[in-house]
Amino acid sequence: EIVLTQSPGTLSVSPGESATLSCRASQSVSSRYVAWYQQKPGQAPRLLIFGASTRATGIPDRFSGSGSGTGFTLTISRLDPEDFAVYYCQQYDRSPYTFGQGTKLQIK
Amino acid sequence: QVQLVQSGAEVKKPGSSVKISCKASGDTLNKDAVSWVRQAPGQGLEWMGGIIAFFGTPNYAERFQGRVTILTDESLNTVYMEVNGLTYEDTAVYYCARALTVDGDPLAFDIWGQGTRVTVS
Repeated sequence: EIVLTQSPGTLSVSPGESATLSCRASQSVSSRYVAWYQQKPGQAPRLLIFGASTRATGIPDRFSGSGSGTGFTLTISRLDPEDFAVYYCQQYDRSPYTFGQGTKLQIK
Repeated sequence: QVQLVQSGAEVKKPGSSVKISCKASGDTLNKDAVSWVRQAPGQGLEWMGGIIAFFGTPNYAERFQGRVTILTDESLNTVYMEVNGLTYEDTAVYYCARALTVDGDPLAFDIWGQGTRVTVS
């Protein structure tokens, strides 16, 4: 099973600044199968990024993804108040299709 | 655009079973990869298993093998998940999710149901 470890667990950032979230895999994952999701309280997750760097439909260009192999990053620039949420990375390369434990992005 | 609508909240006793439905509207789920993901209170997301509607055999995470069954009904455009032998640790919100595919290759979950809260008490 591929274990995804996200860091930090909690990130405090001021609106207007940037945030960088990390996702490290226990073994190499094809970047084609790495995704990032945003989840707000009481809501289902929303797909932000697939293929490690491709924004899903309707996602603003403030969200960008990068990485390869065992290290992947989600960067959110010019943080908007609506961006404060929990973010998960996920791999769809090999079953079971695991998720990271999440990074909570909170307002500083 | 497909929308996934799940069945309502359930309260179950330990040792019992629960069956949750995930009905698609707006388009058929035919040949779509649909998975079930759960989220215990205050916890992260956990993939439980999935299926290619309405063709494939289900694929389960090892820890749920033998206790979870994923079924489909093409006539109702619906995917189901049944969990047997419920314990308190199965208290969670259960989501169905459809995979985005590129060139027939599922890559990520782009459409999610609203979630079904299952309480074991």
